Amino acid sequence: TQLLEQSPQFLSIQEGENLTVYCNSSSVFSSLQWYRQEPGEGPVLLVTVVTGGEVKKLKRLTFQFGDARKDSSLHITAAQPGDTGLYLCAGARDSGNTPLVFGKGTRLSVIA
Amino acid sequence: EAGVAQSPRYKIIEKRQSVAFWCNPISGHATLYWYQQILGQGPKLLIQFQNNGVVDDSQLPKDRFSAERLKGVDSTLKIQPAKLEDSAVYLCASSLVRQTRTQYFGPGTRLLVL
Repeated sequence: TQLLEQSPQFLSIQEGENLTVYCNSSSVFSSLQWYRQEPGEGPVLLVTVVTGGEVKKLKRLTFQFGDARKDSSLHITAAQPGDTGLYLCAGARDSGNTPLVFGKGTRLSVIA
Repeated sequence: EAGVAQSPRYKIIEKRQSVAFWCNPISGHATLYWYQQILGQGPKLLIQFQNNGVVDDSQLPKDRFSAERLKGVDSTLKIQPAKLEDSAVYLCASSLVRQTRTQYFGPGTRLLVL
């Protein structure tokens, strides 16, 4: 059972376009994280959201946690080729040591 | 600050052979994780250590996979014997005990089983 569904699975856009990727679940998470993974590298943590409705901004990236803490979105404004990579969301079921659950990721390609 | 180190970066073996991966976490990080990332999937936790004790190994296929962290620092993950479906990237990550949601990943070992 895939607890976290990410969409779209693949996305190819032109430099300068905006995009949104989604991470959805029927389960409630105490926190949710977004990672970016480049080829041949491990995932790198971008942000952690913990409060329902929370919005965090990281330069051109805007992350939102759903009010019910079941879903999240990542919006990129004016995408650049350097944004290319695999974007993974990961949820924590509680604040303790239970393992993170990762989605399958959205593979983004930004073409110059 | 040095990141999480893993070796080898790539490994090709035949099915039924054995293989071992090594991980050196960030200095001071007591918690260490091994993940398996199959092509097209997100990482799946295999085992989590805190110091040299196992916190969670519920998803580790114990008939063929083993892991140890004898001195609470470096860790090795072994597969014996390997199957075709073990082809994947094996990621090691580490974190501080009180910040287990902030995990730092190594570059991974890409394993191909033929």
